[in-house]
Amino acid sequence: AQSVTQPDIHITVSEGASLELRCNYSYGATPYLFWYVQSPGQGLQLLLKYFSGDTLVQGIKGFEAEFKRSQSSFNLRKPSVHWSDAAEYFCAVGPTGGFKTIFGAGTRLFVKA
Amino acid sequence: DAGVTQSPTHLIKTRGQQVTLRCSPKSGHDTVSWYQQALGQGPQFIFQYYEEEERQRGNFPDRFSGHQFPNYSSELNVNALWLGDSALYLCASSIGSSQGGTQYFGPGTRLLVL
Repeated sequence: AQSVTQPDIHITVSEGASLELRCNYSYGATPYLFWYVQSPGQGLQLLLKYFSGDTLVQGIKGFEAEFKRSQSSFNLRKPSVHWSDAAEYFCAVGPTGGFKTIFGAGTRLFVKA
Repeated sequence: DAGVTQSPTHLIKTRGQQVTLRCSPKSGHDTVSWYQQALGQGPQFIFQYYEEEERQRGNFPDRFSGHQFPNYSSELNVNALWLGDSALYLCASSIGSSQGGTQYFGPGTRLLVL
């Protein structure tokens, strides 16, 4: 069955510290992978996506993610977290065109001063 | 350029009632997908509309139905509301013919069923 697992329900990091959010997926075909961010009261904003090619993907707001096929993982990283990064982050997997995209349960990021 | 818009922003209904949610896609987009996001969970795919037809459907009962209009806007209808239908309903638009098309999400409609 197709699924996305985000093992961490919430993570707290200090401002300026590095961040890594974990994502593991189960998908029969070659996956298309996404990371979205959701701030309170807002919709989802796409941070980055992976379709093929270089397994290290750069996104907006200084985020990057690395696709590791052998580990079925697509972890999100940021070298230095800002207070404005506090939000909920969702990893997702889907086929071409984005329909029937499957989302993980999300990881809530807290940033402490 | 307006992004994806949804109306209303909030809605309160009682059990058994019917509700209609509306979505206008981003300019140039022809495909609309609907998702249900329960509190503390990730969005779950309801269905997608392309060329005014339902192209794919998630694991939702027939109480959930939709429509797409010639201008690509879309409606989500839910009949016989249950308490469990309380959620944030998200609309996403994309270009249907585009390989690996990126979805753009609206701010959502928060539905509370009492």
